[in-house]
Formats: sequence, structure tokens, C-alpha cells
Amino acid sequence: GAVVSQHPSRVICKSGTSVKIECRSLDFQATTMFWYRQFPKQSLMLMATSNEGSKATYEQGVEKDKFLINHASLTLSTLTVTSAHPEDSSFYICSAIGLAGPRGTQYFGPGTRLTVL
Amino acid sequence: GQSLEQPSEVTAVEGAIVQMNCTYQTSGFYGLSWYQQHDGGAPTFLSYNALDGLEETGRFSSFLSRSDSYGYLLLQELQMKDSASYFCAVYTNAGKSTFGDGTTLTVKP
Repeated sequence: GAVVSQHPSRVICKSGTSVKIECRSLDFQATTMFWYRQFPKQSLMLMATSNEGSKATYEQGVEKDKFLINHASLTLSTLTVTSAHPEDSSFYICSAIGLAGPRGTQYFGPGTRLTVL
Repeated sequence: GQSLEQPSEVTAVEGAIVQMNCTYQTSGFYGLSWYQQHDGGAPTFLSYNALDGLEETGRFSSFLSRSDSYGYLLLQELQMKDSASYFCAVYTNAGKSTFGDGTTLTVKP
């Protein structure tokens, strides 16, 4: 149980285009989903917290107009990187917290590797 | 805010026991989690401690001392496949986790 999927797993795009990444909880309802980015050999940096039906809460320094987050249902959250630039190239990972399980347990998706040319 | 400290690298041999430490500073502490991440992969959940003491799951054990703001992950009977990065993360009453910079474990034959 507690499976989280992400799509696509890998994307290469041209500078200036927008990219949408989907995060789905497959076998549980996610009350909260998180979006992280991770640069090589570095830790996970939280970008935003997403609750179903409400606006996402962005961490300091994360541009909400550039990284659009939509949490349309208890099983789906999307991250859209708008007008992507090479510096946005990174590993984007979502995670979800369900109603069951110990508090604070996050189940991670497999990640999306974004390369902006 | 929150801050966590982990040693950057640890090396051990197959079959040995290794302990990876994590110290933290935070407010609104709920619990400490541990995650494993192999190169190119996403983190996977290993354990969660909300109370003081030792939690054991197979070859993995995790310890927490809330009074010392300290925890550790213990791996026994090390295998080559245990080579990975290990992150501790504090979960707070803000409803989110902050991750440490991780410890890279290298297991040698």
C-alpha cells in the first residue's frame, strides 16, 4: 500500500516552455501533498505544501507564479513549471501524507527529472 | 526555523553495523523520520520516531531522544545494497518535514 506515482519520469524541454508534472496517490487518499526539488548530491528542498481544494502554501523564495500547483482531488496534485529556464533543471519529487499511518510519514513518488535546454 | 545536522559520509564493510546520527533544532517537534535514497531514485520511508527510545524493523533500528534533540539510524548486517544516502527529517506542528543534508553510506566488501 501507500503507492505514489509521478508522470512523466523524465522530460526534456526547450527554454521558455511550460511543463506539467502529475503526482497521484494510487491506493490512498492524500490529505496533503508536498513538492520538493533536489539538485545532485544535495538534500530535498521543500517547495510547497498542497492541500486538496485550497491554495498551496509556498516556501520562502519559491515563486508561486512560476511553480503553479493545483490539488484538484484527494489523489492528484500537479506542478506546472512555467516558462522554464535551464536553472530550473532539477529532480522534482512529490510526496503524500494519508489519513492512516504514523503522523509525519511521507510516501514519495519516483520523481521527475526535468532538463531545460 | 529548523536545522538538522548529519555526517556527510560514512564507510563500513559488509556484515558490519553502522550508526548514522542526526541532531536537530526545531520548534513544534512531532517526530523524526528516516529515509533511504539510492542514486537516481526517490526517497523511501524507513522509520518514524515520535517517542523516546528504539524502534526496530528488521536490520534497521531508529532511536530518538527528544531531550537531547538527537536520533540515529542503526543498520546491522550491512549489505552492498545498503550503499545509499540516508536522510533524517523532522516533522513539526506546521504539518511538514524538513530534511537534513543526508549521510552517504558506502558499504565495501
